[in-house]
Amino acid sequence: DAKTTQPNSMESNEEEPVHLPCNHSTISGTDYIHWYRQLPSQGPEYVIHGLTSNVNNRMASLAIAEDRKSSTLILHRATLRDAAVYYCILRDVVVGAGGTSYGKLTFGQGTILTVHP
Amino acid sequence: KAGVTQTPRYLIKTRGQQVTLSCSPISGHRSVSWYQQTPGQGLQFLFEYFSETQRNKGNFPGRFSGRQFSNSRSEMNVSTLELGDSALYLCASSFEGNTEAFFGQGTRLTVV
Repeated sequence: DAKTTQPNSMESNEEEPVHLPCNHSTISGTDYIHWYRQLPSQGPEYVIHGLTSNVNNRMASLAIAEDRKSSTLILHRATLRDAAVYYCILRDVVVGAGGTSYGKLTFGQGTILTVHP
Repeated sequence: KAGVTQTPRYLIKTRGQQVTLSCSPISGHRSVSWYQQTPGQGLQFLFEYFSETQRNKGNFPGRFSGRQFSNSRSEMNVSTLELGDSALYLCASSFEGNTEAFFGQGTRLTVV
């Protein structure tokens, strides 16, 4: 399974942008890059995902390197509610019969993000 | 739209017993995966089911098993419980492999 490497922790100030890096040098062509975050005593929450192109949604942006060996999750304006453990995950997508697909999520240790008021 | 529902939320069992956990995915989702989360090992993949068939399996002993029903609901079973099986068990569902996964709140299992 392809692995991801993230910093153990990062800190930010409220209302400032946050760039969370992730290295995945052994990524394969069928791996989608997913980001999830987890608050204490809750299940992981989906943030964003992509394959090759940069992606934007209401929560964040995902910048993917051209060689796909690294990516960066961008929170444009951090809030106190963004303090969580952020996981960068590769999802090995398998296409089955009829064009349907499935794939497991392999979690790393994640980055603990602290947001200061 | 209802989210992923896991039952029960909390469970206390004795060593040697067996336990069954249930997961109801989001309506229309056909992929259901299970994960174990512990402070020491983090989030570890157990298995994934898609259309009632196990598609992927993590590195766990045979005491851990699961199944998926025709309505996509899934159950996981752990037999001969050990103290080390105490963990938060999380279920996630997705429509397909290239879409986002949605997690339930988990079942907190304590083995005494």
